[in-house]
Amino acid sequence: SQQGEEDPQALSIQEGENATMNCSYKTSINNLQWYRQNSGRGLVHLILIRSNEREKHSGRLRVTLDTSKKSSSLLITASRAADTASYFCAAGYSGAGSYQLTFGKGTKLSVIP
Amino acid sequence: EAQVTQNPRYLITVTGKKLTVTCSQNMNHEYMSWYRQDPGLGLRQIYYSMNVEVTDKGDVPEGYKVSRKEKRNFPLILESPSPNQTSLYFCASSLMGKGYGYTFGSGTRLTVV
Repeated sequence: SQQGEEDPQALSIQEGENATMNCSYKTSINNLQWYRQNSGRGLVHLILIRSNEREKHSGRLRVTLDTSKKSSSLLITASRAADTASYFCAAGYSGAGSYQLTFGKGTKLSVIP
Repeated sequence: EAQVTQNPRYLITVTGKKLTVTCSQNMNHEYMSWYRQDPGLGLRQIYYSMNVEVTDKGDVPEGYKVSRKEKRNFPLILESPSPNQTSLYFCASSLMGKGYGYTFGSGTRLTVV
């Protein structure tokens, strides 16, 4: 399995601080995606960055991708209590006529009001 | 509203009793996939389908079957459930191609006793 791996596994910060989560993957990818999951609910797509992009922004989210290091980071600026959730990176691979999205184990973020 | 609908949300069953978890999407997506989520293991792909009548195994297909007779539906079948299939299951769909995020269903929490 070519899973992404998030780091740290858990992160606790104060409201208003920035939160940074990292992800590593194993082989060449087409894209890297980040998802959010609130306690046992379905995952929600946050942002996608293609393999030829280095940085992408969406609102308070900033994603970077370093294909030479096979790593990505998700930065949430000015965090809010409502950002408390688990965050997953997912690596998009294609080959032999197929396409698969492989998820990491997630980072559990707690934002303390 | 664009969505992926899974049923049931919760299911408790006994070992060996065949069951089907339904998944339906209303976005005309070609790609559909099933994942299971277990503590400490993240999301693991069970099966995926790139279009009608086209299905393929993911990372953990043993003990599961799928079918894709219509574009909108992608049921997950457990012919003879066992306790190690107790898990949280998610269906997801997306447009085909490498640049699209997935839309997830709300999940099915299955307990096999």
